Order: sequence, then structure tokens, then C-alpha cells
Amino acid sequence: DAGVTQSPTHLIKTRGQQVTLRCSPKSGHDTVSWYQQALGQGPQFIFQYYEEEERQRGNFPDRFSGHQFPNYSSELNVNALLLGDSALYLCASSGTRNTGELFFGEGSRLTVL
Amino acid sequence: AQSVSQHNHHVILSEAASLELGCNYSYGGTVNLFWYVQYPGQHLQLLLKYFSGDPLVKGIKGFEAEFIKSKFSFNLRKPSVQWSDTAEYFCAVNEVDSNYQLIWGAGTKLIIKP
Repeated sequence: DAGVTQSPTHLIKTRGQQVTLRCSPKSGHDTVSWYQQALGQGPQFIFQYYEEEERQRGNFPDRFSGHQFPNYSSELNVNALLLGDSALYLCASSGTRNTGELFFGEGSRLTVL
Repeated sequence: AQSVSQHNHHVILSEAASLELGCNYSYGGTVNLFWYVQYPGQHLQLLLKYFSGDPLVKGIKGFEAEFIKSKFSFNLRKPSVQWSDTAEYFCAVNEVDSNYQLIWGAGTKLIIKP
């Protein structure tokens, strides 16, 4: 049973650049959430996608955008990177019913120089 | 704004010691409550969850947690820890029927000395 897969696992960018992170949800899941986890902190909700639409958004600027494809996979895009965007980006998938029970990938660690 | 507080950022215990990790949240409505665990080098995974009913819930690997509504708390316990319990533990809260996000605590790093 394939779990949640994310790519790339590590990447380094410079300020002002753009980055795209990818996620394939666990088999049978149709909802994808993205979280940002800074060092020493808990994950912070970025947004959730369901039926190819952004269903809810956390307190992140418009530089953060996403997409969900018909096969339920998802992308997170961050434009105009800032040093403060350096973090672990986690993708989590879940079933349709909103129970909050999430299955996580191993994350994409972004370093902005 | 809703928040989740975990009282201890680092805990060091010897094997066979008892464990209690504190978690308090600020939301006054109906919530789902979770403890997630991240073992070294692995992804976050669900340890246990509370949706409704018996406030004492049991999870994997002998862990349990008690929901005390009047105290807005959901503390994690284990009677006797093992070296393999070394991990980071996160408490998280979800508002039922009105919110799709989880609000997370900052995590507690637990180190078990063999």
C-alpha cells in the first residue's frame, strides 16, 4: 500500500526564486493538506485541496499557491522566496470526511540562501 | 486565535519510568484531539485520537491519553517507557465541522536512556 510520497526530499534555492513541491497521496485518499514546519516548531497549516479546489487556507501570503490534479496528487508553489521560507514542507492526505486524521509524507526540506 | 500548548519541550527518562506529556488547547467548541509521533528518521504518524465518547483513549504501543474537557487538556501517558519510545511527540486539535486544519503544539522531544 503506497503511502504519501513527496518530492524532492531536499532542495536549496536563493532568495527571490520560485519552488514547486510535489505530493502523491496515500492510495484511496482524495484530500491533500500542506503544512510548513520550521525548526523547533509544530507544523503550520498552509492550505487543503479537495476536488481540485482550495478548500481552506491558513495564514500564509499569496506567494504560496497550490494545485490538485484529477488523480488527487498536488503541488505547492512558493514564489519570491524569502530566507524565512526555509522549513520542512509536509504533505498529508486524508479521506473525504473531515476527521483530522492525516497520513504524512516524509517532507521536502527547503533551504533558502 | 486557537492555540495548542505542550508543556515540556524536552523530556529525558530512564527505561521503565512512567511518562506523562501535557497538552492544553484554547478552543471552546467541539474538537477532535490527536497525538502524533515522529520517530527518528521517520515521518509523522498517528499515535492516538479522540473524537467522542470515553475520554480515556488507547493508542498504539501502550500509549493512552485522557481528555478532560473542563481543563481543555489531552495529556499523553504511558506506564513504562522503552528505549524505542525515543521520538518527538506532537499534540494537535481540529475543530469539528467548521475547520479543516489541525492546530499543532510545538512538540516534545522524548529521550529514553537505556
